[in-house]
Amino acid sequence: DVKVTQSSRYLVKRTGEKVFLECVQDMDHENMFWYRQDPGLGLRLIYFSYDVKMKEKGDIPEGYSVSREKKERFSLILESASTNQTSMYLCASRPGPVNIQYFGAGTRLSVL
Amino acid sequence: AQSVTQPDIHITVSEGASLELRCNYSYGATPYLFWYVQSPGQGLQLLLKYFSGDTLVQGIKGFEAEFKRSQSSFNLRKPSVHWSDAAEYFCAVGAGTASKLTFGTGTRLQVTL
Repeated sequence: DVKVTQSSRYLVKRTGEKVFLECVQDMDHENMFWYRQDPGLGLRLIYFSYDVKMKEKGDIPEGYSVSREKKERFSLILESASTNQTSMYLCASRPGPVNIQYFGAGTRLSVL
Repeated sequence: AQSVTQPDIHITVSEGASLELRCNYSYGATPYLFWYVQSPGQGLQLLLKYFSGDTLVQGIKGFEAEFKRSQSSFNLRKPSVHWSDAAEYFCAVGAGTASKLTFGTGTRLQVTL
């Protein structure tokens, strides 16, 4: 089975803090994604990466950055957390040729 | 631009009743269509997918979906709902090899006993 692991299920941070959300997949997938999920808005793509050190902006990249130094790990970075970044964050990975995404359990982030 | 509409925000059905969740999409080419389910506090699990071929696709947990090109729809069905099916359901559209999936806003299913 594909396993996508997000390091934290719940996080509470203060406004202005730098926040790192970590995601690791164990299936050697080329593609990895970060989404945020908000009630009534569904999933919105923040960033994705199709290879090590490669990244592309999704639909809502403002206020976020990402890092992919190793194939199995994709990090989402909030440089200066704000209250409007309180949300559920979902990581996903996808093997190269097949457009099926596998999701982690999510990190619920609260910014106070 | 691709888009997905799930017109029902919240649906309540009785256990044992049939279920249909609606999904309409807008996509310029041949779509690849997906249904995912999210149980409370969990990530998304793939229920089924349509890439090509038979327009009626079977998935896990007894779910099926039918692709209707003329109606731009990909509705999810289950003949008899179980209490454990209570969850949020997301429809998504993408291309075969492109990276992005576009998700609908989800339908929350409540099952009464």
